[in-house]
Amino acid sequence: NAGVTQTPKFQVLKTGQSMTLQCAQDMNHNSMYWYRQDPGMGLRLIYYSASEGTTDKGEVPNGYNVSRLNKREFSLRLESAAPSQTSVYFCASNQHRERVLFGPGTRLTVT
Amino acid sequence: AQTVTQSQPEMSVQEAETVTLSCTYDTSESDYYLFWYKQPPSRQMILVIRQEAYKQQNATENRFSVNFQKAAKSFSLKISDSQLGDAAMYFCAYRDTGTASKLTFGTGTRLQVTL
Repeated sequence: NAGVTQTPKFQVLKTGQSMTLQCAQDMNHNSMYWYRQDPGMGLRLIYYSASEGTTDKGEVPNGYNVSRLNKREFSLRLESAAPSQTSVYFCASNQHRERVLFGPGTRLTVT
Repeated sequence: AQTVTQSQPEMSVQEAETVTLSCTYDTSESDYYLFWYKQPPSRQMILVIRQEAYKQQNATENRFSVNFQKAAKSFSLKISDSQLGDAAMYFCAYRDTGTASKLTFGTGTRLQVTL
């Protein structure tokens, strides 16, 4: 059981470039989430997917898109990266009412 | 919308002593979950302890315990016999009981453990 995996672990982008952060879980969880963590602000929810085939906006969705490719995978796309998107990104998953498990995070820097 | 407030940006405790981290939250729901997560320098989010709002008994996990005051909307974490490995960021989090278990986090408390 790998749990929740994220790729890449680190990424540097120039303003305006695009990229996709990948997330996968092998626990057959229905729900998956993307959070960002900025200094002094805790983790904030970007998007979530309550079940395969559904996605919904969280607290800070602007500038991002998501795809729930299948039950295992939930990707986060930055179409045109901005310096304000410099952050640490966490993917997470869970089954209803069970504990939420987090991936190891991706540190993204946009210059 | 639910909010979670951690008013202590940093705390310090001596090894083997006890420290309490504070958390307050705001919600109109009667049934929900509260959590404390630990984030060491590795950035991994580690669940420390969980409390269901319908349970009156305070949760405990070894050296970690909570003081859950539902009416006051307060949820503090007590760490007993502090160890050097307890040094980390600690986040308080709220989760509703809906199908999608979205977490709302506080801003965190950085705990230092000194010899």
